[in-house]
Amino acid sequence: AQSVAQPEDQVNVAEGNPLTVKCTYSVSGNPYLFWYVQYPNRGLQFLLKYITGDNLVKGSYGFEAEFNKSQTSFHLKKPSALVSDSALYFCAVRDYMFSGGYNKLIFGAGTRLAVHP
Amino acid sequence: KAGVTQTPRYLIKTRGQQVTLSCSPISGHRSVSWYQQTPGQGLQFLFEYFSETQRNKGNFPGRFSGRQFSNSRSEMNVSTLELGDSALYLCASSLAGGLASNTGELFFGEGSRLTVL
Repeated sequence: AQSVAQPEDQVNVAEGNPLTVKCTYSVSGNPYLFWYVQYPNRGLQFLLKYITGDNLVKGSYGFEAEFNKSQTSFHLKKPSALVSDSALYFCAVRDYMFSGGYNKLIFGAGTRLAVHP
Repeated sequence: KAGVTQTPRYLIKTRGQQVTLSCSPISGHRSVSWYQQTPGQGLQFLFEYFSETQRNKGNFPGRFSGRQFSNSRSEMNVSTLELGDSALYLCASSLAGGLASNTGELFFGEGSRLTVL
């Protein structure tokens, strides 16, 4: 079964410092991986995805993620954190069966990012 | 292009009542999924609809049901509400499964926050 794990409940970082939010995955086959962000009382916003190709994926708001097949990881990164980046971040993997054709994402538990001024 | 629209945004019900939530997907998206988000269980998949047919269902009791209309709009219904049904219910739309262009990302609405008293 497909799964993702976010080992940190919360990450604290000072504004201007680089940030990393960790994600590891377990899949059969090639993984389709995603990062989403959620601000308070809002839905999830898509940040970026890895399907194939370059291991470094660039996304919205200056975020990027590094796909590492040998370590089965897909960590989210940003070179310089902003206070406005404070939010809940979710890693997800696609659970997809072509024969059934359904779309489903399996989400990690989420990591709360707190950026301090 | 308008995003995913969910109504109502907030609602309060009492135990034993039933509730219907509505979701209008992004124009051209034919797949609609529903997720329940709670602090304890995180994001849990409820079901997915495509072309008015349920393609996939999560592990929820029969009190949770849904449907999709010919215009791809979807509704979900929860009957005989319990306190534990209090949650943020998120709707997401995506391209149809099986399309080469479909890489699986979901586009979420702002959610409907249900409080059961």
